[in-house]
Amino acid sequence: AQSVTQLDSQVPVFEEAPVELRCNYSSSVSVYLFWYVQYPNQGLQLLLKYLSGSTLVKGINGFEAEFNKSQTSFHLRKPSVHISDTAEYFCAVRGTGNQFYFGTGTSLTVIP
Amino acid sequence: NAGVTQTPKFRILKIGQSMTLQCTQDMNHNYMYWYRQDPGMGLKLIYYSVGAGITDKGEVPNGYNVSRSTTEDFPLRLELAAPSQTSVYFCASSEKGASNYGYTFGSGTRLTVV
Repeated sequence: AQSVTQLDSQVPVFEEAPVELRCNYSSSVSVYLFWYVQYPNQGLQLLLKYLSGSTLVKGINGFEAEFNKSQTSFHLRKPSVHISDTAEYFCAVRGTGNQFYFGTGTSLTVIP
Repeated sequence: NAGVTQTPKFRILKIGQSMTLQCTQDMNHNYMYWYRQDPGMGLKLIYYSVGAGITDKGEVPNGYNVSRSTTEDFPLRLELAAPSQTSVYFCASSEKGASNYGYTFGSGTRLTVV
């Protein structure tokens, strides 16, 4: 069975500080991992994805994530956050067929 | 380029009423999906389609129906609305399997059943 656990439901952080949003997964198939961002009253947008190759993946808006197979993790990081990064962030893992399993989300609030 | 368009954006239904949530994409994507998002929960897959005329159940299909008569449209039908169907519904599409390409999401339909 496939599942995703996002360990933090809410993460407050001051502007220009670094942030890490944690994601752990379980999967019995090839691991394809995604991070999505959802701004208020909008749909989800793809931030980055890991399919294979380099374990460090760079995405849009200065975000990056590192795939760690031994720890079954795919944590999202940004070295310096901006007010505009305030949003909900979802980690997702591919399941069987074309199904994806999403985590419960992490609400990132950037404090001025 | 409109991407994925969902209508309506908001709707209030009474218990037992029916309605159709519309979803249209203009990217010629073969794969389309319907998800629901409940507060504090991740997205749950309701139904998906890999092409016109082909649909399949996802994780939470009960109480819903879909059809896919064209590549562009993938409507979601609620026949007898129940309070448990109060949620935000997202339609998504992908060029091929979402494994390699990820999804393009619509902006969602917020449904309240009272």
